[in-house]
Amino acid sequence: EPEVTQTPSHQVTQMGQEVILRCVPISNHLYFYWYRQILGQKVEFLVSFYNNEISEKSEIFDDQFSVERPDGSNFTLKIRSTKLEDSAMYFCASSERRLYEQYFGPGTRLTVT
Amino acid sequence: KQEVTQIPAALSVPEGENLVLNCSFTDSAIYNLQWFRQDPGKGLTSLLLIQSSQREQTSGRLNASLDKSSGRSTLYIAASQPGDSATYLCAVRGNYGQNFVFGPGTRLSVLP
Repeated sequence: EPEVTQTPSHQVTQMGQEVILRCVPISNHLYFYWYRQILGQKVEFLVSFYNNEISEKSEIFDDQFSVERPDGSNFTLKIRSTKLEDSAMYFCASSERRLYEQYFGPGTRLTVT
Repeated sequence: KQEVTQIPAALSVPEGENLVLNCSFTDSAIYNLQWFRQDPGKGLTSLLLIQSSQREQTSGRLNASLDKSSGRSTLYIAASQPGDSATYLCAVRGNYGQNFVFGPGTRLSVLP
């Protein structure tokens, strides 16, 4: 069964460093999403992406974040200058169409020290 | 702003019991609602997607119902098994948005 994959599974970085989290969505899906979950808290929406542009973003998704689909398969989330409070599990998701069921990847645990 | 709550926060039942998990949302103008399962330290597994025009959806031992006007959804699990132990999340999508608003989850333990 097709699935969303994410790499790395765990990333440790120092405060102020840039990180790139990678996702490979399900191949025939057109809509892509990033969510995050701080330990012990709710899953929160960050951004949705369609047709090579951001279609919706939350107030969390400020100028330090960016997303890109550099080729036909990868979807990336870049955090420019990490802060301690960026430590969280980051989930990528994809859906075939807008408002369709979303399928989530296993997540990348980001630890900022 | 949409708020989603889930009751109870945690539930422990003996194997074989039928159980109900509750999800409430404050804004009834929703497009759909999705139930997920999350195992510790893992990603989210989609269980059921229920559209705002539907009253219920079934998959195996799972049944999700939706009462949009009262802002409630329930997830019914029949004949629970230890493998059902996980956190169950509901997520609501508004009429004009693509993103989900998640509830805090119900942590379920099914004891053998």
